[in-house]
Amino acid sequence: EAQVTQNPRYLITVTGKKLTVTCSQNMNHEYMSWYRQDPGLGLRQIYYSMNVEVTDKGDVPEGYKVSRKEKRNFPLILESPSPNQTSLYFCASGLLSGGFYEQYFGPGTRLTVT
Amino acid sequence: AQSVTQLGSHVSVSEGALVLLRCNYSSSVPPYLFWYVQYPNQGLQLLLKYTSAATLVKGINGFEAEFKKSETSFHLTKPSAHMSDAAEYFCAVNPGYSSASKIIFGSGTRLSIRP
Repeated sequence: EAQVTQNPRYLITVTGKKLTVTCSQNMNHEYMSWYRQDPGLGLRQIYYSMNVEVTDKGDVPEGYKVSRKEKRNFPLILESPSPNQTSLYFCASGLLSGGFYEQYFGPGTRLTVT
Repeated sequence: AQSVTQLGSHVSVSEGALVLLRCNYSSSVPPYLFWYVQYPNQGLQLLLKYTSAATLVKGINGFEAEFKKSETSFHLTKPSAHMSDAAEYFCAVNPGYSSASKIIFGSGTRLSIRP
């Protein structure tokens, strides 16, 4: 089954404790992206990757890191999480279709930082 | 700069009634427009997309949207609401080509269906 998977689905952590949220896709998509969803703000892009070893900042990259060493994986790293990073996070992968990427979303990771 | 405005953070309709979710966009170039649906505890699923072909776009689950350039709108409609339509709906815009990787989401509209 074609899908985007994220782990963990739920995570409660404390301020300053480094964490990684994994994202994997089995559709051989070149494009992958991370978003955070906050009430009343919709989804905002954190980082995206156009291909292996190619990453770029989205709208809200502060406090996050990413890497793209393999095509299928795009982990999101929070080196020193803070309470304002409490949010619902979505990973997506995309296929170039005409002039845009048609994106497929993972199920989400709900992160709470205390 | 591109932006998306969804009017109404919460819409409630009776089962069988018309669903109308409003979306207005701002874009300096002809955009690609999308509607996504998010069911509780799930990721986003593409409902439909406008890619400069037909202005009336049909999507899944009986939804459709009409691109109106003069009004910069892309409202989502469904003639008869079903209980299973209860979800959050997001309008999104992508300016395309040189910014193919960029997608901007609206703040979302939660749709509730009354029995």
